[in-house]
Amino acid sequence: QVQLQESGPGLVKPSQTLSLTCTVSGGSISSGGYYWSWIRQHPGKGLEWIGYIYYSGSTYYNPSLKSRVAISVDTSKNQFSLKLNSVTAADTAMYYCARESCSGGSCYVDYWGQGTLVTVSS
Amino acid sequence: SSELTQDPAVSVALGQTVRITCQGDSLRSYYASWYQQKPGQAPVLVIYGKNNRPSGIPDRVSGSSSGNTASLTITGAQAEDEADYHCNSRDSSGDHVVFGGGTKLTVL
Repeated sequence: QVQLQESGPGLVKPSQTLSLTCTVSGGSISSGGYYWSWIRQHPGKGLEWIGYIYYSGSTYYNPSLKSRVAISVDTSKNQFSLKLNSVTAADTAMYYCARESCSGGSCYVDYWGQGTLVTVSS
Repeated sequence: SSELTQDPAVSVALGQTVRITCQGDSLRSYYASWYQQKPGQAPVLVIYGKNNRPSGIPDRVSGSSSGNTASLTITGAQAEDEADYHCNSRDSSGDHVVFGGGTKLTVL
């Protein structure tokens, strides 16, 4: 059973960089075939895709966040990470790491972390 | 277009059937996936592909698609089905992921 766990500061000051790490257990990031994703949810709102990384290092980002986002992978630690710079209060949200699979004309998130709340405030 | 549109709220009487819809151009190329989210919890995948249910999802939950519209149907809604439901797919390019705004389902 694949499990994902987010870790990182719960409070970030405006203009600074939000940094989160997702540790994957029960499966190897480097086994291929999956897209390791970050998704966030503003309080009381819907889900917003931030981006994903493939085990090879290829990345795709939400165009609305692309200028501020970087996702990286450390296969030796079976972890992937999110950096979001120049944060504002609008970046306050629950952040989820997740695994996306694709097959049969469908891509779907089959495993989610429990989520970590990040608040941007001075 | 890279957007998916859902009705913000839907209600259903206990034991009745409810359909939640998701519209978007990308759904002409990709099947939608559906997630159930209860307060304070992470989303849970309930439907993916043409009409596939992960292990543990009851068969009263089903999915369908026609043109640019995907539907999640709950037949014989139960109190425990009350939740937010989110749809998603890849966008038309296939490279980016898009989510709908979510539908709050109330079971009366």
